[in-house]
Amino acid sequence: DTGVSQDPRHKITKRGQNVTFRCDPISEHNRLYWYRQTLGQGPEFLTYFQNEAQLEKSRLLSDRFSAERPKGSFSTLEIQRTEQGDSAMYLCASSREAGWATNEQFFGPGTRLTVL
Amino acid sequence: AQTVTQSQPEMSVQEAETVTLSCTYDTSESDYYLFWYKQPPSRQMILVIRQEAYKQQNATENRFSVNFQKAAKSFSLKISDSQLGDAAMYFCAYRSASGTYKYIFGTGTRLKVLA
Repeated sequence: DTGVSQDPRHKITKRGQNVTFRCDPISEHNRLYWYRQTLGQGPEFLTYFQNEAQLEKSRLLSDRFSAERPKGSFSTLEIQRTEQGDSAMYLCASSREAGWATNEQFFGPGTRLTVL
Repeated sequence: AQTVTQSQPEMSVQEAETVTLSCTYDTSESDYYLFWYKQPPSRQMILVIRQEAYKQQNATENRFSVNFQKAAKSFSLKISDSQLGDAAMYFCAYRSASGTYKYIFGTGTRLKVLA
């Protein structure tokens, strides 16, 4: 169990540029979540994958956001035409299939995005 | 829709003392889970303690315990014998017992531990 990893840890970009973040979940976890955390707030749900299928998207996930999880392994979150309001910490979490006793979510360290 | 409220933006406690962090939630569901997560500065969130709504017994993990009041929709965290390493943001989270199991978080409480 090497934990959830995210790359990059920090990203600074100019308004209008595209950015992509990567999340590697714990290997046997088939559920993967993306959250966004702004300063002084708790994380807010963005989207959820079960294996490779994206099963839920929050209304927070505008058309400029897209997430993928090819082959049910790692996941990417892309933001197109970034805006200053996109500045936040983007957290990834993974968990086992439902029914396991320890099905809490394990969080990665996050990617902090700053849009200038 | 479910909501989670943490009304204490910041709390302080003397080392070795006890502190209680408050959390209330709103839901129409009868089966759900509640969590407390700890987020140290610049480090990832880790689970502190979990409570299943169908269990009447309050969860305990070493120095951490909860006071779960289902009827009042209250879920407070008690930290006993506070240590300097307990200083962090603490988030209360709600999760349905069905569906995608996404978390709904409160706004967090920053805990300072004074030496």
